[in-house]
Amino acid sequence: NAGVTQTPKFQVLKTGQSMTLQCAQDMNHEYMSWYRQDPGMGLRLIHYSVGAGITDQGEVPNGYNVSRSTTEDFPLRLLSAAPSQTSVYFCATQRTGRLGEQYFGPGTRLTVT
Amino acid sequence: SQQGEEDPQALSIQEGENATMNCSYKTSINNLQWYRQNSGRGLVHLILIRSNEREKHSGRLRVTLDTSKKSSSLLITASRAADTASYFCAANDRGSTLGRLYFGRGTQLTVWP
Repeated sequence: NAGVTQTPKFQVLKTGQSMTLQCAQDMNHEYMSWYRQDPGMGLRLIHYSVGAGITDQGEVPNGYNVSRSTTEDFPLRLLSAAPSQTSVYFCATQRTGRLGEQYFGPGTRLTVT
Repeated sequence: SQQGEEDPQALSIQEGENATMNCSYKTSINNLQWYRQNSGRGLVHLILIRSNEREKHSGRLRVTLDTSKKSSSLLITASRAADTASYFCAANDRGSTLGRLYFGRGTQLTVWP
């Protein structure tokens, strides 16, 4: 039981490049989300999904796309990377039902030059 | 917008001492959660207190909640060097159909041996 996995662990991009951050879970949780963590800012919600085929925007969605074709996977796409997207990105899952704890992946550290 | 705020931003204590961290939030909540983050790792859920509860214990952790003041505190008793980490509160938003979590900026706790 791997829980929540994220790849890659580290990535360096040039401005304007695109890439996909991968998130996978084996806990059969319907709810998945992406956060970014910046120094002194806590975690901010980018996008979330309440099940396969259903996604919605969080606080800071601009510049990012998501899709959810399966329960297990929730990739985050950066369309045209900008230095402002330099951050640590975390994927999280939650059991069905909206009141419980979230389970976090280990994070992807992204640097955009 | 940042819905949670922890205080202090940093706390440094000796092993064996107690550590108290405070959290204030803005939204109406279903529950208030505390997470721990070791350096370079994802967040790990510590404890959840429901809006109708005032105090909860789990091992060396004690959480209090005052919904009238929209504040919570986390007490770690008999701290150990291994408790060194960042601690975040997260408010589970009652106004969100999803029970969205709003994270604070965190308290960096250092416990010296």
